[in-house]
Amino acid sequence: DIVMTQTPLSSPVTLGQPASISCRSSQSLVHSNGNTYLTWLQQRPGQPPRLLIYKISNRFSGVPDRFSGSGAGTDFTLKISRVEAEDVGVYYCMQATHFPWTFGQGTKVEIK
Amino acid sequence: QVQLVESGGGVVQPGRSLRLSCTASGFSFSSHGMHWVRQSPGKGLEWVAVISNDGTGKYYADSVKGRFTISRDNSKNTMDLQMTSLRAEDTALYYCAKEFDYGGLGVYWGQGTPVTVSS
Repeated sequence: DIVMTQTPLSSPVTLGQPASISCRSSQSLVHSNGNTYLTWLQQRPGQPPRLLIYKISNRFSGVPDRFSGSGAGTDFTLKISRVEAEDVGVYYCMQATHFPWTFGQGTKVEIK
Repeated sequence: QVQLVESGGGVVQPGRSLRLSCTASGFSFSSHGMHWVRQSPGKGLEWVAVISNDGTGKYYADSVKGRFTISRDNSKNTMDLQMTSLRAEDTALYYCAKEFDYGGLGVYWGQGTPVTVSS
C-alpha cells in the first residue's frame, strides 16, 4: 500500500501569514493514463471533509484562490497564501491513483 | 441536489456483524463509483472500500479485507457495507462518498453513521 506522509502535523499560523503543508508518497502517483490523482481535503470540526484541490493543482469550484497545490511524482505541497480564520481545520492529502486509496495523517492548521 | 444519507450504525459486540447503508439522491447513482471512508474518534481518515458504478469492481483496505463486503443496488440508489467479525479498532464514524469525476473524493459525502464495537 502507498503510504502518504504529511509534514508538519501541526501548523500554528498568524492570521494573514502563509502556511504550507507537504505530502510525500511512498511510490509515484502517476497513473498509467498519465494523470496524478493527488487531492487535498479540508475538514472542519464536526464536518465531513471538503475537496480543495484535485489532480495536484486544480482548485475545486468555490475554493478561494489563496489555496494552491503543486508537486509531481511523489512530492506535493498545499499552500495557503494568507491564512484566514475560516481556514482552521485539518488538512489531508489523499492519493487515488492506486488501490487501496490512502490518506495522509492530517495536518492541523490553527491560529497562533 | 446531491444527498447521501448513511444509516445502520450502532453499538455492537466484538465478533458480531453490522450492515451499513447509504441512500443516494440527486444524481445518476448508477453512473458513479461509491466509497466508504471511516474516521475513528479523534483520528484521521481511512479509506475503507469502493464499488464501481455497475457493482462489478470492488476494492478494500487491507484492514477490512475478508471481513467487510461492499454492495450496491442501482434500482434503489443504495450502497451497503456488510461488516463481520467486528473488532474494537473498527469503531469509527463511517462516511459514504461519491467518487469525484476527476478522480478522488471530497465533493459529496454523507454526514456519517457511527459504529462502536465494544463489549
